[in-house]
Amino acid sequence: GAGVSQSPRYKVAKRGQDVALRCDPISGHVSLFWYQQALGQGPEFLTYFQNEAQLDKSGLPSDRFFAERPEGSVSTLKIQRTQQEDSAVYLCASSPARTTTPLFFGPGTRLTVL
Amino acid sequence: KNQVEQSPQSLIILEGKNCTLQCNYTVSPFSNLRWYKQDTGRGPVSLTIMTFSENTKSNGRYTATLDADTKQSSLHITASQLSDSASYICVVSKAAGNKLTFGGGTRVLVKP
Repeated sequence: GAGVSQSPRYKVAKRGQDVALRCDPISGHVSLFWYQQALGQGPEFLTYFQNEAQLDKSGLPSDRFFAERPEGSVSTLKIQRTQQEDSAVYLCASSPARTTTPLFFGPGTRLTVL
Repeated sequence: KNQVEQSPQSLIILEGKNCTLQCNYTVSPFSNLRWYKQDTGRGPVSLTIMTFSENTKSNGRYTATLDADTKQSSLHITASQLSDSASYICVVSKAAGNKLTFGGGTRVLVKP
């Protein structure tokens, strides 16, 4: 496709369950970012990849959150033992540059933890 | 305290009218400031990007201004359309690194 795609678009998990969220960036894009957006708030940075290297994971809220991009294209954000406070929209964005300019966002995955 | 503050949180305007959204930031050192439009259930889409030396930038009916001295920006929507109903997010990029700081957004509802 022409844009950033994410799957699933919606995910409902029971508390304690593990989830995996997928991001397909625009082909050839070097940089990939994950953001967490709580309801009615702006996105907050989680982690950043340049190709397969995770250069910044300072935004990951706990060690239950793990992200990978093993071949420098598709990325997966995994959340272990989900908690209710993990409920949010998880946005993926990619850039052809080693910066955030330009930046293209995916539609997000809405995670609801019951 | 969030380093990017937006006001108002929400507003309702009639179709065809103009409106102005405000953004104040304290992020430093500053690289650029962006305005994004986020439709419900979608990811943000870039409207404008301004660097330190740019005072104004337009994209169709959207005009952004930047005062880097007072650390303020505004987004003006001219002749609003129903499709302008969305959240508008102000985003500031630091001079070093790839961290973006997002404001909480202004939710705009355009009524016929």
